[in-house]
Amino acid sequence: GIQVEQSPPDLILQEGANSTLRCNFSDSVNNLQWFHQNPWGQLINLFYIPSGTKQNGRLSATTVATERYSLLYISSSQTTDSGVYFCAVYTGGFKTIFGAGTRLFVKA
Amino acid sequence: GAGVSQSPSNKVTEKGKDVELRCDPISGHTALYWYRQSLGQGLEFLIYFQGNSAPDKSGLPSDRFSAERTGGSVSTLTIQRTQQEDSAVYLCASSRGQGNEQFFGPGTRLTVL
Repeated sequence: GIQVEQSPPDLILQEGANSTLRCNFSDSVNNLQWFHQNPWGQLINLFYIPSGTKQNGRLSATTVATERYSLLYISSSQTTDSGVYFCAVYTGGFKTIFGAGTRLFVKA
Repeated sequence: GAGVSQSPSNKVTEKGKDVELRCDPISGHTALYWYRQSLGQGLEFLIYFQGNSAPDKSGLPSDRFSAERTGGSVSTLTIQRTQQEDSAVYLCASSRGQGNEQFFGPGTRLTVL
């Protein structure tokens, strides 16, 4: 089945810094989502982005489907950005596959 | 309601007991998904419903796990004869259709003593 790899696994930032999170996938996908899991466990939708670039405030995402990767950019990070960031891919079957996540901690 | 709801939010049970977890999807969403998240881990896909039918049950960890959905809305995940390794957060999501954007509920934290 499809493999989804996220990097880096852990990231510590000083408040105000920028970062890029990566999601690589091993096969063609029909859609891709980025989620933020906050410290209380709630999964928050960030982007639904099978291809192209989207921006929402300090966050933006780019998916290059032909090269099988997606990037999530966080600019001017805040302590509330802390948590785990997951990408999830759907390949047209019955399953959605999640990556292992990037654990982000933003220091004040 | 506006979002996906799940109940109970927490469940503590003894090994060997049966438990039922409930998911109420966003109104109008025909697709419903169950996932399991063990402590500090990613999400493990369990089962997907389109309407009331689940075309693929191979993600369920064992035959002690079953799920149903009635009326194209509420779904229940049942775990029979619970084991300690079943302890995890069980998450439900729904979407307008297969492959569309998924929205998650708050989860049910299951602890098997």
